[in-house]
Amino acid sequence: DQQVKQNSPSLSVQEGRISILNCDYTNSMFDYFLWYKKYPAEGPTFLISISSIKDKNEDGRFTVFLNKSAKHLSLHIVPSQPGDSAVYFCAASEQGGSEKLVFGKGTKLTVNP
Amino acid sequence: EPEVTQTPSHQVTQMGQEVILRCVPISNHLYFYWYRQILGQKVEFLVSFYNNEISEKSEIFDDQFSVERPDGSNFTLKIRSTKLEDSAMYFCASSDLPATLRVNYGYTFGSGTRLTVV
Repeated sequence: DQQVKQNSPSLSVQEGRISILNCDYTNSMFDYFLWYKKYPAEGPTFLISISSIKDKNEDGRFTVFLNKSAKHLSLHIVPSQPGDSAVYFCAASEQGGSEKLVFGKGTKLTVNP
Repeated sequence: EPEVTQTPSHQVTQMGQEVILRCVPISNHLYFYWYRQILGQKVEFLVSFYNNEISEKSEIFDDQFSVERPDGSNFTLKIRSTKLEDSAMYFCASSDLPATLRVNYGYTFGSGTRLTVV
């Protein structure tokens, strides 16, 4: 039951370039989407979120795009830095204020100097 | 920056034993959560807790599991009669507001307890 899918287990980019991490979802009841970053031996750290009423949210180097018709979102990191190397999880929450986050399997991003 | 603290960082237990995982949420937070991540798998929701009651739970959170806020600072997850498949990283999280009022919707996770059942 993969309601949130991150089809790329890993991504490698050069420092200074753009990193694009993708996420697809199947549940039409999701109305809030989040990206978390996770370093080894640490818990997930909240990065950025987007409501379903928006198609873009930006925070510094991080931008999340949401395409509701395609049930697809993406996280853009520009410019990528070696410190961005981590596992990135896409997560979603259902309408009605559900406290439950449904996570994807994650994409391991490596930014090479 | 305030942190969610989890202890121990790694716990090894024998199959069939009871284990208690401990969490100290951020001090002014009122909403608490447990998630787990089996090695190589996604992070999965177990339970949310507010006002001394479970507010939501997943199908994973069966009678084997229980949560408690025994005092004003700790939040615990008890697993009775552990099984091999309970081996996972268990994450505690907390928030000061419910989902409907959180501006960015995210909540704060601890670093996790790695539970190994042998």
